[in-house]
Amino acid sequence: GAVVSQHPSWVICKSGTSVKIECRSLDFQATTMFWYRQFPKQSLMLMATSNEGSKATYEQGVEKDKFLINHASLTLSTLTVTSAHPEDSSFYICSASSGRDMETQYFGPGTRLLVL
Amino acid sequence: GQNIDQPTEMTATEGAIVQINCTYQTSGFNGLFWYQQHAGEAPTFLSYNVLDGLEEKGRFSSFLSRSKGYSYLLLKELQMKDSASYLCAVMDSNYQLIWGAGTKLIIKP
Repeated sequence: GAVVSQHPSWVICKSGTSVKIECRSLDFQATTMFWYRQFPKQSLMLMATSNEGSKATYEQGVEKDKFLINHASLTLSTLTVTSAHPEDSSFYICSASSGRDMETQYFGPGTRLLVL
Repeated sequence: GQNIDQPTEMTATEGAIVQINCTYQTSGFNGLFWYQQHAGEAPTFLSYNVLDGLEEKGRFSSFLSRSKGYSYLLLKELQMKDSASYLCAVMDSNYQLIWGAGTKLIIKP
């Protein structure tokens, strides 16, 4: 089956630093990648949708200058949390879908971010 | 607006059967998904329904009624490892997933 990886799986950083999270589709080409955030005991919240080679589409209320998304290739998307603050501490999950199968999203294992 | 409703929490006994309901109101419909999410982990895909009826996959079955905006996930022969949150999600006309808040299922011995 389709496999999506994320790196790192967890990160602890100081307030004010930037953190980059990578999402890779390992055995298929992901024309579309999605970034979600999940706070404890809450459902997934879509942050942005990115298509390869174009700018990401951000959901309402998500600061595009704070959460930088790059989808430079069909197998890699990155999310950079710039100047992270404690309120950015969350579980960040990416998912990917291929152009032929828009109905199915394959999820990465998630990245747990703790900002001190 | 778009809305997905499912119970917050359910409790069942090991070996029994449990049905988790999901009702939805969305802008368009391109299928309904059920995901399982263990604490601290990403969701894993369980089922996808786009046509009315019952889809059976081992111990898990999923039912859809598009006219009623309703789905359920049926889990049989419950095992302790089935303790998790179960997320209902609907794909709207823009192929965007609209997520429910999840149902936390507690399995007791």
